[in-house]
Amino acid sequence: EPEVTQTPSHQVTQMGQEVILRCVPISNHLYFYWYRQILGQKVEFLVSFYNNEISEKSEIFDDQFSVERPDGSNFTLKIRSTKLEDSAMYFCASSEARALEAFFGQGTRLTVV
Amino acid sequence: DQQVKQNSPSLSVQEGRISILNCDYTNSMFDYFLWYKKYPAEGPTFLISISSIKDKNEDGRFTVFLNKSAKHLSLHIVPSQPGDSAVYFCASGVEGRGADGLTFGKGTHLIIQP
Repeated sequence: EPEVTQTPSHQVTQMGQEVILRCVPISNHLYFYWYRQILGQKVEFLVSFYNNEISEKSEIFDDQFSVERPDGSNFTLKIRSTKLEDSAMYFCASSEARALEAFFGQGTRLTVV
Repeated sequence: DQQVKQNSPSLSVQEGRISILNCDYTNSMFDYFLWYKKYPAEGPTFLISISSIKDKNEDGRFTVFLNKSAKHLSLHIVPSQPGDSAVYFCASGVEGRGADGLTFGKGTHLIIQP
């Protein structure tokens, strides 16, 4: 069964450093998303991406964040100058059409120390 | 801002019995509701959904009930099996929007006791 894959599964970084979280969406999907879940909190939408551009973003997704589809398969989330409060599980998701039912990856646990 | 609330952080149910997970929402614009299931070290997996034009949707052992007037939905699992032990997220959105419009609850950890 096709799946969304994310790497790495766990990333530890020092405060102020830049991190890139990687995702390979399902191959025929056209819509891509990043969500995050801070420990004990709800899953929160960050950004959606379609047709090589951001289609929606939440207020969490400020200038510290950027997304890119550098080639035909990868979808990345870059966090510049990480802060302690960026520590969370980051989920990538994709969907074939603009649907509410998206397929999620297994997540990347980001720990900022 | 808790537009989607799952008031039970955890629920323990005996194997073979019914599990009922509850979810309340506040935003009247929501017209589509989903349940996701999440195992440790995995991402959320879509389980079942319901549109606001219905009050019930069934898929095998899983049934979702929607009470629009009360802004409440519930997920029933009958009979509960050990593999159902997971965190269940309720999510709400607007039909026609993508998954960028989803608002999630904090989740309920369901534990099925043998």
